[in-house]
Amino acid sequence: DTAVSQTPKYLVTQMGNDKSIKCEQNLGHDTMYWYKQDSKKFLKIMFSYNNKELIINETVPNRFSPKSPDKAHLNLHINSLELGDSAVYFCASSHAGGNTGELFFGEGSRLTVL
Amino acid sequence: AQSVTQLGSHVSVSEGALVLLRCNYSSSVPPYLFWYVQYPNQGLQLLLKYTTGATLVKGINGFEAEFKKSETSFHLTKPSAHMSDAAEYFCAVSQNSGYSTLTFGKGTMLLVSP
Repeated sequence: DTAVSQTPKYLVTQMGNDKSIKCEQNLGHDTMYWYKQDSKKFLKIMFSYNNKELIINETVPNRFSPKSPDKAHLNLHINSLELGDSAVYFCASSHAGGNTGELFFGEGSRLTVL
Repeated sequence: AQSVTQLGSHVSVSEGALVLLRCNYSSSVPPYLFWYVQYPNQGLQLLLKYTTGATLVKGINGFEAEFKKSETSFHLTKPSAHMSDAAEYFCAVSQNSGYSTLTFGKGTMLLVSP
């Protein structure tokens, strides 16, 4: 039973399209995150939600919109995809705050924009 | 503000040799420090963490790291490398306050040769 699951695992699409990535965690955690890993493996926080409330919103284009219907789900919708959006997107979860605890990561969703 | 510097994007060792992956951090408050490992096409997994207390922390798979405040370092070591240790290793820092998120270093790829 996967702790943090993301779908789809691979996504290939054209520039200008809109796409979504879904994330679910069954660990009972309060906090969920989206991280972006670029081609050089650099990981950068995008968003953090605690109990469905947006806590952290780093400098991310408005084309990216997270949605948390409940504390077990955090989806990422991307409008008007650009070439530079190609990356691996990781969902993660933790107990509240996350700074002293462990982040549990999903296996990632590799987005390729053509 | 916080940041992490990992020296060396690639480290090569022979099986059975000592593994040393370097991490230096910058933080305006006492940091919490982490090492994560990422195997190919997988999410990140926590190896070990330092929050408070003993400065030498032991993690999974025989890894350990020592927090040295005077050197602002948190280097990762393992006495004897195994082929299965080949992976990308990320050092990360957070602050002991509220909803501080993890800031990751750029990663070090560990290559293990027979």
